[in-house]
Amino acid sequence: DIVLTQSPATLSVTPGESVSLSCRASQGISTSIHWYQQKSNESPRLLIKYASQSISGIPSRFSGSGSGTDFTLSINRVESEDFSVYYCQQSYSLPLTFGSGTKLEIK
Amino acid sequence: EVQLVESGGGLVQPGRSLKLSCAASGFTFSNYGMAWVRQAPTKGLEWVATISYDGSSTYYRDSVKGRFTISRDNAKSTLYLQMDSLRSEDTATYYCARRGAGYNFDYWGQGVMVTVSS
Repeated sequence: DIVLTQSPATLSVTPGESVSLSCRASQGISTSIHWYQQKSNESPRLLIKYASQSISGIPSRFSGSGSGTDFTLSINRVESEDFSVYYCQQSYSLPLTFGSGTKLEIK
Repeated sequence: EVQLVESGGGLVQPGRSLKLSCAASGFTFSNYGMAWVRQAPTKGLEWVATISYDGSSTYYRDSVKGRFTISRDNAKSTLYLQMDSLRSEDTATYYCARRGAGYNFDYWGQGVMVTVSS
């Protein structure tokens, strides 16, 4: 199985800061990585597909990059509504796997 | 508007069965693969099973293979998950999700809680 390691586990930031969240795969997966946001007591929401492709309706401050084993989700100038948990997911091979998540919290 | 509404969760004893349903609307259900993803209390997301748009192909994680069965009724726009021989480690919120282009999940239901306990 492909293991996705997300870091850091928790990131404390002030609104207005820009942040980068990391997702590292245990083997090369091309760009088969997707990012989700899950707010407390809500369902996950797809933010970015295939490492860097934007999703309709998602604010432009969210962007993704990377290929192979190292991927990054960037949030340009964090807003209050962005404080939640972020997960990466690989679709390179079955079983589909998710990272353990990065919690973005207010400093 | 795409809507996915799960039902059928609840408290069940270990070894017993439960069947989840997911009613879809707002899109042509028969054109999309579908999946179940679960989340144990305070834990992360875990893919459970996927079914192709026509039901001809199904895929499962190893820990549920032989115990869970994913199926669909395209005439009713409904996805199902039959869960047999339930274990305490199956306790989770189960989400129905639409498979987007490739193997991501572009729409999710609100989730339904399944608790396996004596």
